[in-house]
Amino acid sequence: QKEVEQNSGPLSVPEGAIASLNCTYSDRGSQSFFWYRQYSGKSPELIMFIYSNGDKEDGRFTAQLNKASQYVSLLIRDSQPSDSATYLCAGLSYNTDKLIFGTGTRLQVFP
Amino acid sequence: DAGVIQSPRHEVTEMGQEVTLRCKPISGHDYLFWYRQTMMRGLELLIYFNNNVPIDDSGMPEDRFSAKMPNASFSTLKIQPSEPRDSAVYFCASSPEASGEQYFGPGTRLTVT
Repeated sequence: QKEVEQNSGPLSVPEGAIASLNCTYSDRGSQSFFWYRQYSGKSPELIMFIYSNGDKEDGRFTAQLNKASQYVSLLIRDSQPSDSATYLCAGLSYNTDKLIFGTGTRLQVFP
Repeated sequence: DAGVIQSPRHEVTEMGQEVTLRCKPISGHDYLFWYRQTMMRGLELLIYFNNNVPIDDSGMPEDRFSAKMPNASFSTLKIQPSEPRDSAVYFCASSPEASGEQYFGPGTRLTVT
């Protein structure tokens, strides 16, 4: 079992819809979580991070964390074709200072 | 700032040859990370440095891989001898502190034939 698990997708949503990306983790030592976006052929770039249980909103993006269920999610409202990319979930373990990535979910937003 | 710089961007080599990948982190960032990305295994941490000192190299697949950071502005990842299964995209990333907020370079796509 990988420490951070994501559905590889693709997740296809129409333009303007809400895209919901999910991630589960097994290491309870992971205290903070990060969402990176990676366009095809490009490098990962950080879009959101969350440390506390609950929701964190930034523009069209909302990150959600439930430590009891070991579950992290990213909601993208009003999805645009430019949001089409692979979204990587990562957990940072305070025991090791290492960022552990999931294998990513590919999102496709169609016009 | 120009961001994290990596070279070369593409490398094609034959099995058994030595490969050296280079990275220049963002100025002022104390942490430097080397990752490898493949379709099968995703993004894997190979090694990371803090203030030029290797802290954790448990992700380095085997002795054929080595990494150095002789100063704050330069790091290398060397594979000797290279094998076809080393074909992947290798990313270097840096961060100002021990956090998940890391800045990735453009990557080096390595193909070993």
